[in-house]
Amino acid sequence: AQSVTQLGSHVSVSEGALVLLRCNYSSSVPPYLFWYVQYPNQGLQLLLKYTSAATLVKGINGFEAEFKKSETSFHLTKPSAHMSDAAEYFCAVSGARSGNTPLVFGKGTRLSVIA
Amino acid sequence: DGGITQSPKYLFRKEGQNVTLSCEQNLNHDAMYWYRQDPGQGLRLIYYSQIVNDFQKGDIAEGYSVSREKKESFPLTVTSAQKNPTAFYLCASSGQGVYNEQFFGPGTRLTVL
Repeated sequence: AQSVTQLGSHVSVSEGALVLLRCNYSSSVPPYLFWYVQYPNQGLQLLLKYTSAATLVKGINGFEAEFKKSETSFHLTKPSAHMSDAAEYFCAVSGARSGNTPLVFGKGTRLSVIA
Repeated sequence: DGGITQSPKYLFRKEGQNVTLSCEQNLNHDAMYWYRQDPGQGLRLIYYSQIVNDFQKGDIAEGYSVSREKKESFPLTVTSAQKNPTAFYLCASSGQGVYNEQFFGPGTRLTVL
């Protein structure tokens, strides 16, 4: 079984500041991990994914995440926030090699960027 | 141009009515999913289908029904038994790739009048 906890339902940063969105997971099997972004009234778009090839994963729009097995974490970071980064972000997990099974999502973190 | 389409984008329903939300994909994906999104609750799985003519209940299936007669299509019916159907509904699909990445449609916002 898998589960995801996203710490902080709302994070606010200044434009140009570091973005850090936290995700901790629980999985009884080796996990695959995902970060998705959702803009208002739109579907989810994949930012990046961890599939065991490398622990530091780079995604779109300058985001990256580091898989830390010892901490069961997969935090999302961006060195410098832009106004266009304001959105809701979801962390998700699935069992590696589980085939087409539903992802388990966290409750999401809304990111606000202040000018 | 491959992707997932959902229609309509906005839907209004009177109490006691059944409504059907459309989801179509041209990605040749085997699996399709329906999620419900409410503010602060993330995505909750309603139903999913891993193959044509087969589907499984998710966490909140009560008051919903689905069919999977074609690989490309996975319509969701919100029945009158669903007591609080006002929400944002998202359809997704995934293919045979081992990473289980899901692709999402643009969503349908359902409002009960």
